[in-house]
Amino acid sequence: DVKVTQSSRYLVKRTGEKVFLECVQDMDHENMFWYRQDPGLGLRLIYFSYDVKMKEKGDIPEGYSVSREKKERFSLILESASTNQTSMYLCASSKPILTGVNSPLHFGNGTRLTVT
Amino acid sequence: GENVEQHPSTLSVQEGDSAVIKCTYSDSASNYFPWYKQELGKGPQLIIDIRSNVGEKKDQRIAVTLNKTAKHFSLHITETQPEDSAVYFCAASGGSYIPTFGRGTSLIVHP
Repeated sequence: DVKVTQSSRYLVKRTGEKVFLECVQDMDHENMFWYRQDPGLGLRLIYFSYDVKMKEKGDIPEGYSVSREKKERFSLILESASTNQTSMYLCASSKPILTGVNSPLHFGNGTRLTVT
Repeated sequence: GENVEQHPSTLSVQEGDSAVIKCTYSDSASNYFPWYKQELGKGPQLIIDIRSNVGEKKDQRIAVTLNKTAKHFSLHITETQPEDSAVYFCAASGGSYIPTFGRGTSLIVHP
């Protein structure tokens, strides 16, 4: 079974702090994703990566950056945390597309971040 | 880009009843339609998926149907049980491997 592990379940940070959210997957997946989940808004894509050192902006990248130095690890960075970044953050991974065949996402259990 | 609409946002049923959640999508190039279940305190987990070359797929009490012409797909849960209570998300992907998610349906099954 694929395991996607997010380092923290709960995190409380102060406004202006630099915040690192870590995610590790153990199935050698090429694709990794960061989503934020807010009530009534569903899952919104922040950033994704399809290979080491590669990154692409999702729908809501403002205020965030990412790092993928190793295939199994994908980090989300809040450069200067703000209260409107209080949310549930979900990491996911998936196999690469093979000749047009999509694969499902495997999610971690999330990090609930509170910025005060 | 793709747009996925999901209805209803909340669904309340009695144990043993059936539940149906519906999604529509906009991009005719979409060819993969997974459904995820998110239990409290956990991340979404795939429960069933369907590809565009298939019209229906079943797995025990869960089934998914796809109407490519109308661009909609539905999740059907029969004989609901309290442990089916969760948030369900539909998604669509195709030309881009990045899935677009619906906003989720909170299913409540009353014992």
